[in-house]
Amino acid sequence: AQSVSQHNHHVILSEAASLELGCNYSYGGTVNLFWYVQYPGQHLQLLLKYFSGDPLVKGIKGFEAEFIKSKFSFNLRKPSVQWSDTAEYFCAVIRTGGGNKLTFGTGTQLKVEL
Amino acid sequence: DGGITQSPKYLFRKEGQNVTLSCEQNLNHDAMYWYRQDPGQGLRLIYYSQIVNDFQKGDIAEGYSVSREKKESFPLTVTSAQKNPTAFYLCASSATGEIQYFGAGTRLSVL
Repeated sequence: AQSVSQHNHHVILSEAASLELGCNYSYGGTVNLFWYVQYPGQHLQLLLKYFSGDPLVKGIKGFEAEFIKSKFSFNLRKPSVQWSDTAEYFCAVIRTGGGNKLTFGTGTQLKVEL
Repeated sequence: DGGITQSPKYLFRKEGQNVTLSCEQNLNHDAMYWYRQDPGQGLRLIYYSQIVNDFQKGDIAEGYSVSREKKESFPLTVTSAQKNPTAFYLCASSATGEIQYFGAGTRLSVL
C-alpha cells in the first residue's frame, strides 16, 4: 500500500531560522505531490504542488519544495521562518490513475518562537 | 462566496446514536471526500465520491456511511458501529484530477 512518511513530528525554530521538513513516499509509479498547511483555527489549505516539469516548485509565503524522484522525496523548505508560519504541515501524494485519492503523511507541527 | 461548508462545527454523540455531518460545496466539483483527522495520525480517507450516485470506500470506512444524491452534497453518517468516533472530520472537493479544497471541519465528541 502507498504510504507517506514525515519524519519530524514536532519542530521548534526561532524566527529567521531555516526550515526543512522531510517527506518520503513509497509508491514507485508516477505521482502528484502536495504540501498542505493548517494554521491554528483555519482551513487546511494548499501550500504548493508538483505535477510535472521543474522539480523545484515554489508556493505561497516563500515556501518551496524539491521533488527528487530517485529518493522518493518531496522536502519542504523555507530560508527564513516567521512567527506566523506556526502551523501543522502535511505532505500528501496522489498516485496518477489512482482515482484522485490523496494519501497524507502524519503531519509536522511547527512552532516558531520570537 | 464560493467554497465548502461543513456543519455543524461541533457535534456530540451519545452511545448507540447515529449522527450525520453535512458537507455542501458550490464549486461545481465532481469529486468529494471525507477524511478523519486524529492527532499524530494525519488525515485518513473515509469515503470518496467521483460522481453523483456513486461512492467508494476509503481506508477506514468501517462504521461510516455516505450518500451522494446531489452534486453539491456529500453527507457522512457516523453510525453506532464506529466505536471510536471522537475526531476532527474534514470534507474536501475537487475537479477531476485537480487539487482538493477543504472545509473548516466538524469536531465530533462522544458524551
